[in-house]
Amino acid sequence: DIQMTQSPSSLSASIGDRVTITCQASQDINHYITWYQQQPGKAPKFLIYDASNLEAGVPSRFSGSGSGTHFNFTINSLQPEDIATYYCQQYENVPRTFGGGTKVDIK
Amino acid sequence: QVQLVQSGVEVKKPGASVKVSCQVSGHAFHELSIHWVRQAPGKGLEWMGGFHPEEFETVFAQKFQDRVVMTEDTSTGTAYMELQRLTVEDTAVYFCATGGQGYLDSWGQGTLVTVTS
Repeated sequence: DIQMTQSPSSLSASIGDRVTITCQASQDINHYITWYQQQPGKAPKFLIYDASNLEAGVPSRFSGSGSGTHFNFTINSLQPEDIATYYCQQYENVPRTFGGGTKVDIK
Repeated sequence: QVQLVQSGVEVKKPGASVKVSCQVSGHAFHELSIHWVRQAPGKGLEWMGGFHPEEFETVFAQKFQDRVVMTEDTSTGTAYMELQRLTVEDTAVYFCATGGQGYLDSWGQGTLVTVTS
């Protein structure tokens, strides 16, 4: 199985800050990574696919980058509504595997 | 816009089975690939299995392979996930989601399954 190592596990930032989360895959997954946002008590929300493509309707302050084994997810100018846990997931092969999550809150 | 509505809270005893439903609307059901993901209390997301159009079959995570059944009723646009031989470690919120391309782009609201003696 492909292991997805996500870091940090949690972070605190101020409104307006730039926040970056990293996912490292245990083997080459090309660009087959997606990112989700999960607010407390809610289902995950699909944000980014193919490493860097923003889903329609997702604010442009969210972005993704990377290929191969190292990937970044960035929130430019953190907003109060961005308080959530973020997960990466690879879909290069089966089983689909998730990173452990990064909890983002306000400093 | 695809909408997925799941069945309600379940409380089960160890050793029992649970069957969660996921009713889909807003898109032709036969064009969708349904996946199931669970989340134990305070924990991360865990993929259980789903339909892979490239293999034209449902594929399961190995840890669930011998006790999960995923079915679909195309006449009602409803997917089902049955988990058998429950243990307390199966206490979790279970989500259905659509994901033909590999990423899960629409999600149900989740169904809490509590396993307790």
